Amino acid sequence: EDKVVQSPLSLVVHEGDTVTLNCSYEVTNFRSLLWYKQEKKAPTFLFMLTSSGIEKKSGRLSSILDKKELFSILNITATQTGDSAVYLCAVVGSQGNLIFGKGTKLSVKP
Amino acid sequence: DGGITQSPKYLFRKEGQNVTLSCEQNLNHDAMYWYRQDPGQGLRLIYYSQIVNDFQKGDIAEGYSVSREKKESFPLTVTSAQKNPTAFYLCASSITTANTEAFFGQGTRLTVV
Repeated sequence: EDKVVQSPLSLVVHEGDTVTLNCSYEVTNFRSLLWYKQEKKAPTFLFMLTSSGIEKKSGRLSSILDKKELFSILNITATQTGDSAVYLCAVVGSQGNLIFGKGTKLSVKP
Repeated sequence: DGGITQSPKYLFRKEGQNVTLSCEQNLNHDAMYWYRQDPGQGLRLIYYSQIVNDFQKGDIAEGYSVSREKKESFPLTVTSAQKNPTAFYLCASSITTANTEAFFGQGTRLTVV
């Protein structure tokens, strides 16, 4: 059975801290891994990773995939209160569907 | 503007009634999805469709039904057989089901009283 496990489930940090969010997966015929940020309603796309070892970067956010160890990390440096959200990891499964983890709720305190 | 639209944003129904949630996209995407989100549960897949007139069950399809008669529309019916229908429902679409990001609607919060 395809599955995605995120850790930690919740995290509280202070502004300026650096955080690392984890996503491990088990999926037949892996195609890609995606990261989303969900603040209130609709998740918004952050990154899509298909190749191992290649870092994707956007401002203070970066992500990398390890296909051998079946995991990905999302790093956020110099966190701000606006980074507070639920971060979702998803993998394209063997049936072509998106499988989501439970998410990591990040709270950034001033 | 291109995008994916869910309606209504909030919906209240009495127990035992069927209710249909609307999802429309004008992105010319082949694939569409319905997810349910409960606190602490992340997104769980209800149904998905890879192409018009075709759809597959997700992990929690019991008590739900869908149709895909048009490329741009993928309505979800929550039937009276669904034991815990109160939840936040998200619809998404992507170009195909492989290697493309999914775009989400703003969601419908269904409350059954």
